[in-house]
Amino acid sequence: GNSVTQMEGPVTLSEEAFLTINCTYTATGYPSLFWYVQYPGEGLQLLLKATKADDKGSNKGFEATYRKETTSFHLEKGSVQVSDSAVYFCALSGNYQLIWGAGTKLIIKP
Amino acid sequence: EPEVTQTPSHQVTQMGQEVILRCVPISNHLYFYWYRQILGQKVEFLVSFYNNEISEKSEIFDDQFSVERPDGSNFTLKIRSTKLEDSAMYFCASTLTGFYEQYFGPGTRLTVT
Repeated sequence: GNSVTQMEGPVTLSEEAFLTINCTYTATGYPSLFWYVQYPGEGLQLLLKATKADDKGSNKGFEATYRKETTSFHLEKGSVQVSDSAVYFCALSGNYQLIWGAGTKLIIKP
Repeated sequence: EPEVTQTPSHQVTQMGQEVILRCVPISNHLYFYWYRQILGQKVEFLVSFYNNEISEKSEIFDDQFSVERPDGSNFTLKIRSTKLEDSAMYFCASTLTGFYEQYFGPGTRLTVT
């Protein structure tokens, strides 16, 4: 069946560091891929998406490229800020549902 | 910008009681979903709903759960007899088409005592 695997957290970085959060998936067909972010005490916000192979989603300085050959959708940001501290979820579109990774907690220290 | 709303933001109930969680999806959306997130854990799919019927449901969504779209705007999740393990954040989501990004409400925190 379809599944999403994310790197375990927490990931702790200093401000202005480079960020990579790994996400790999298993899927039949050609799903769309998403990154959602959950700030402390808040709901789930769509951060970015990609709907087909080689698409790059980007938003707020974050990027992720849909790599079919490696079944990956890694999240990157060149220079993180304290305000980026949150939990990041990778997800793929399944049969009338989103299939979620376990989430990666990101902590950015000033 | 249109958004999904949920009420109440926090619901406390006693074990065995019925609860109804309410959602107002984005007005032109056609697909509706409920997910839950037990504190500190991953998001779990419960059910999807389209054209006034359930499209897909997970193993979690047993006979104690039901969904309804009682009018043109609301989408509800009912838990008939709550258990301690139903304590979680419940998120409603909607989307225009079945395979694209889902827009989430702020969630209802359900606490069963």
